[in-house]
Amino acid sequence: AQSVSQHNHHVILSEAASLELGCNYSYGGTVNLFWYVQYPGQHLQLLLKYFSGDPLVKGIKGFEAEFIKSKFSFNLRKPSVQWSDTAEYFCAVNVNNAGNMLTFGGGTRLMVKP
Amino acid sequence: DAGITQSPRHKVTETGTPVTLRCHQTENHRYMYWYRQDPGHGLRLIHYSYGVKDTDKGEVSDGYSVSRSKTEDFLLTLESATSSQTSVYFCAKKDRENTEAFFGQGTRLTVV
Repeated sequence: AQSVSQHNHHVILSEAASLELGCNYSYGGTVNLFWYVQYPGQHLQLLLKYFSGDPLVKGIKGFEAEFIKSKFSFNLRKPSVQWSDTAEYFCAVNVNNAGNMLTFGGGTRLMVKP
Repeated sequence: DAGITQSPRHKVTETGTPVTLRCHQTENHRYMYWYRQDPGHGLRLIHYSYGVKDTDKGEVSDGYSVSRSKTEDFLLTLESATSSQTSVYFCAKKDRENTEAFFGQGTRLTVV
């Protein structure tokens, strides 16, 4: 079964700092990869996704992620964070098998100080 | 609104009672999922469905059962609620392969 690891559980940054959140997965086959964001008290919303093609994907709100197949990684980046980016971020892996199971990492709670 | 709603949004129940949470979607998406979200654990998959009457267990399925008798409804049942099942439950749906999942607003369940 696939699993997803997010190495940073809590991250605190000042506004304008750069962000990189790590995500590694364990599955040897073809996967789809996602980053979701959850603002306080809300449900999960999609930030960006990777299915195939260019391994550098751009999402909403200035976020991007790079898929490195050899490292089984899909790290999330943003050059300059804002206070409004304070949220919890989840990496997810979807294997295109019969069940299409979608597995999440443990999440990274980001706090951006104004 | 992503075409997926959960009910109830909040529930308090007593230990030992049965509880059913409902997830309803309006767009005939094939795949549906139930997760629980707990501090420090992220979202953990309870059960999922890949079609009407086609369901399978996730990583934390003990104490839970599901049913999907219609495409639009995916029910999660706690047969006999325990305090360890106090959590926020999220339902999600997905249309097909190579698409993203859309989430409901969540149900906060407290077992006392």
